[in-house]
This record gives sequence, structure tokens and C-alpha cells, in this order.
Amino acid sequence: KAGVTQTPRYLIKTRGQQVTLSCSPISGHRSVSWYQQTPGQGLQFLFEYFSETQRNKGNFPGRFSGRQFSNSRSEMNVSTLELGDSALYLCASSYSEGLTDTQYFGPGTRLTVL
Amino acid sequence: AQSVSQHNHHVILSEAASLELGCNYSYGGTVNLFWYVQYPGQHLQLLLKYFSGDPLVKGIKGFEAEFIKSKFSFNLRKPSVQWSDTAEYFCAVNAPAAGNKLTFGGGTRVLVKP
Repeated sequence: KAGVTQTPRYLIKTRGQQVTLSCSPISGHRSVSWYQQTPGQGLQFLFEYFSETQRNKGNFPGRFSGRQFSNSRSEMNVSTLELGDSALYLCASSYSEGLTDTQYFGPGTRLTVL
Repeated sequence: AQSVSQHNHHVILSEAASLELGCNYSYGGTVNLFWYVQYPGQHLQLLLKYFSGDPLVKGIKGFEAEFIKSKFSFNLRKPSVQWSDTAEYFCAVNAPAAGNKLTFGGGTRVLVKP
């Protein structure tokens, strides 16, 4: 099976712009989660989508949003970019089989905000 | 809210040495436990996981981990490391009752000298 794919792999934006990142989960996986990885804060959970609905949300401002499509593909949007949004954004997918779920990660999108 | 601590931020050892990385979590309920590895330039990969049953779990590449419920710990071990084990290792916890969200430790960078 193909793994989780994320596009684009690298992005450079300027402050105030907005950005959309895309994630295609492993075939058959129904849950998609997003994480932010930075040297200072480590890996932090952003949100999770399942069946096109946000099922769980981390402690990030409303500038961070996402959605999931009927084919389980997901997009994440960050509006009004700030310098501190520079990070590696990771997408993870899982089958969502109840209490014993395992998440598999994509390669990430490295976002640089200038 | 759950939290995860990895006490060693950096570990340097020689090939054939034994490796043990500590992981402690705080959460009073049922948890699922994971170790992920991030090799240089690569994405997060699952090393092993614990859901229930035998508290000693074996993963890929000769790694194993032991869940000690009374100590809220899930330490990772490998009897004899290789240069190719140079990577960053992350412990992660999921509380199924709180949804499909992984809480990560800060990571441990392991450098294996040839």
C-alpha cells in the first residue's frame, strides 16, 4: 500500500498570507490527523478529521483550520501567517478501529514564513 | 490532560552498546503507548506499540519496550545498537477515551558512533 502523501513538501510564504496543505491518507484509512513539529514545542496535535467531521481539536488558534473530503483526503489551512507558524506540518492517517488505532505519518510539509 | 516526558534529550553511544530510553506519562485512565522513530531526512515511522496484554512488546529492528503500569512508564530498549540507529525517538501516548489524539514526548536524539 502506498503511504501517506503530503503536498507540497516545501512552502515559503510571507507574513499575512494564507496557506493550504494537502494530505492523502493510506487507502482505506478513514481518520486524518494533523500535527505541528517545531524545535521549540516539539510535536503538537492540531486536529483530527473522521468522516468529513472534525472529531478532535488541539490548542491552536482559529487561524488553523482543516477539512476532510468524502474520499478521506484532507486539507489544512492557516490564515494570516505569522513567523511562528514556520514548522513541519505532519499528517497522519489511521483506519480508526476504535480503541486500538495506530497512526501512520506522512513526510510532512515544511512551511517557512518570512 | 495527558503529558509525556522523555528524560534524555541526547544520547551518544558506540556501536554494540545497549540502549534504553525512558518515557513516563501522566494519565489516570487507559492508554495506548507508542514509540516512533525519525531517521535523518525521513518521516516518522512506527517502531512498536502497546495496547494491552503482554507488557513486553517487540517492534521492528530489534527494539522492544516494557510497559510498567505502576510506574506510568514505557521504556524503549535495544540490546546492541548499530550506526543506522542514529535517529530521534519519540514516545507517544493516546488515551482512547479522549479521542484519536497522540501526545508526544519531547524526543530523544540518539547518536551512534561507528
